[in-house]
Amino acid sequence: NAGVTQTPKFRVLKTGQSMTLLCAQDMNHEYMYWYRQDPGMGLRLIHYSVGEGTTAKGEVPDGYNVSRLKKQNFLLGLESAAPSQTSVYFCATKPTVVNNEQFFGPGTRLTVL
Amino acid sequence: AQSVTQLDSQVPVFEEAPVELRCNYSSSVSVYLFWYVQYPNQGLQLLLKYLSGSTLVESINGFEAEFNKSQTSFHLRKPSVHISDTAEYFCAVIPFGGTSYGKLTFGQGTILTVHP
Repeated sequence: NAGVTQTPKFRVLKTGQSMTLLCAQDMNHEYMYWYRQDPGMGLRLIHYSVGEGTTAKGEVPDGYNVSRLKKQNFLLGLESAAPSQTSVYFCATKPTVVNNEQFFGPGTRLTVL
Repeated sequence: AQSVTQLDSQVPVFEEAPVELRCNYSSSVSVYLFWYVQYPNQGLQLLLKYLSGSTLVESINGFEAEFNKSQTSFHLRKPSVHISDTAEYFCAVIPFGGTSYGKLTFGQGTILTVHP
């Protein structure tokens, strides 16, 4: 099993460009999350999903959109990238409401020039 | 709402010395508590967690953390560190209750550097 995978691993964008980050999981987990990690700020939740076809806003959702058309995939989109979105993005999954452990992907390092 | 404060942004220690990484939290409801570790250029891995029961929890690689409800703390300790423990450590909480949807609130992180 691959667990949680993220595509791409690295990306450089120019201001105003768009892109989509893909998170894929093969663990049949219901819940999926997108975080961004910035130095000295820990990880902050961008958006999350509690099941196929559902999404909700987290702590820092502005400038991002998400979709969960299939249970195994959670996409994070940047419609018009800004330098403030330079960050490392992590996807995480969680199997059930009772089991509260989240499993993290390896991350995507995004630089916006 | 919840908040997590890690009191030290960086902790340098020598190999085989003891270490304590401090974590305090604030919440109006009861919480589950976690420590995650992030090795350089990797994702986060769960180190240990407190859900209920004994307030002292241990990991397989010698770390332990104690939940102190009165002081709202969950400090991480290891009696003798190794070079391989060099990493960033994150404390995190999830509030009780189904409406939280398992959303983690993280502290700012503590970079542990173990020197030979």
